[in-house]
Amino acid sequence: DGGITQSPKYLFRKEGQNVTLSCEQNLNHDAMYWYRQDPGQGLRLIYYSQIVNDFQKGDIAEGYSVSREKKESFPLTVTSAQKNPTAFYLCASSRTRDRFHQPQHFGDGTRLSIL
Amino acid sequence: SQQGEEDPQALSIQEGENATMNCSYKTSINNLQWYRQNSGRGLVHLILIRSNEREKHSGRLRVTLDTSKKSSSLLITASRAADTASYFCATDADGNNRLAFGKGNQVVVIP
Repeated sequence: DGGITQSPKYLFRKEGQNVTLSCEQNLNHDAMYWYRQDPGQGLRLIYYSQIVNDFQKGDIAEGYSVSREKKESFPLTVTSAQKNPTAFYLCASSRTRDRFHQPQHFGDGTRLSIL
Repeated sequence: SQQGEEDPQALSIQEGENATMNCSYKTSINNLQWYRQNSGRGLVHLILIRSNEREKHSGRLRVTLDTSKKSSSLLITASRAADTASYFCATDADGNNRLAFGKGNQVVVIP
């Protein structure tokens, strides 16, 4: 079945450590997105990519970095510069053909906590 | 930027009743989308309504859009315990599929 796989499901970060969250999709979607969700809140966009080797900052990009070397993969690195990284991180993808009206498909998230 | 704002924030109903949630937004939109999130899981897309559409149905779901009032509503008819979830509206303002999500409505359906 096609879908989006995020790993790991749970991740713990030590002070001063960078951690990388994995996101892989086999839906053949061009666009991919990273969101952060805090308890009781909606989703906030961190980074998005409309095509391989290109990505743009979202609303809360500070302290995060991404790469898009392959269509299927869009890993997110939470750097030590992100002082409050504890959150639920969601990856999504969508088509870009008739991009004006495309739903996003989500993975099941990675929950990141500080040790 | 956050744009969608759902109302009410939390709703508790008996199985079989209807549940209605509202969403307001501030700027013009290209489309508005509703998503469901079960606890600890990712979001699942429910319905997308374009700015030139007024109403859309999918199974037990009915979505309306009033662009003059910048608001949308999601109606779930004949609710089931499995409908217990958080429901989010999201707006696409510029057609780049960059969505702005509301804070969500938590719906509890009591069997």
